[in-house]
Amino acid sequence: DVKVTQSSRYLVKRTGEKVFLECVQDMDHENMFWYRQDPGLGLRLIYFSYDVKMKEKGDIPEGYSVSREKKERFSLILESASTNQTSMYLCASSLRQGPLLYGYTFGSGTRLTVV
Amino acid sequence: KQEVTQIPAALSVPEGENLVLNCSFTDSAIYNLQWFRQDPGKGLTSLLLIQSSQREQTSGRLNASLDKSSGRSTLYIAASQPGDSATYLCAVGSKAAGNKLTFGGGTRVLVKP
Repeated sequence: DVKVTQSSRYLVKRTGEKVFLECVQDMDHENMFWYRQDPGLGLRLIYFSYDVKMKEKGDIPEGYSVSREKKERFSLILESASTNQTSMYLCASSLRQGPLLYGYTFGSGTRLTVV
Repeated sequence: KQEVTQIPAALSVPEGENLVLNCSFTDSAIYNLQWFRQDPGKGLTSLLLIQSSQREQTSGRLNASLDKSSGRSTLYIAASQPGDSATYLCAVGSKAAGNKLTFGGGTRVLVKP
């Protein structure tokens, strides 16, 4: 069964900490995405990547960075965590072949609380 | 710019009733439309994917239709069960969004026993 795996379901971090959220997919997908989801605001795209070493800013990249050293792994980094980054973080992946021919597959999410 | 709307935001039905969930989008030049289910505190699970050339997709009790010209999709869930209680999101892939998905706000469904 193909999947997208997010390493942590729940995380509690302190303000100012550097936080790493990891996402691994086993489907050989080229595209990977990081979203955050907040009540009333829906899903908002933070960063995405279409290939190894590539990254593109999404709609809300401020306060975040990403790393994609291997095709299967896409990491989201909170350089200095703040309380307004408390949220549900969702990772997704898709094939590049044709424009979105096969849809997205999502991970189970990481609920991050910054105190 | 592509915008996706789901109305209503919440819906409550008695068990056994058919569910009808609506999704509308502003730019009809889409590649595909995907319906997801999300349980509280969990990730998104893909239910159905409709390519732009298709009119509908079916999986078990689920049927999704697509009318590009009117910018609408409808997800039908037949004979609803309490286990269908969840939030349902639709997402549209389009060139207007840089070949990425644009999500609706979701419809929260409660099926009462």
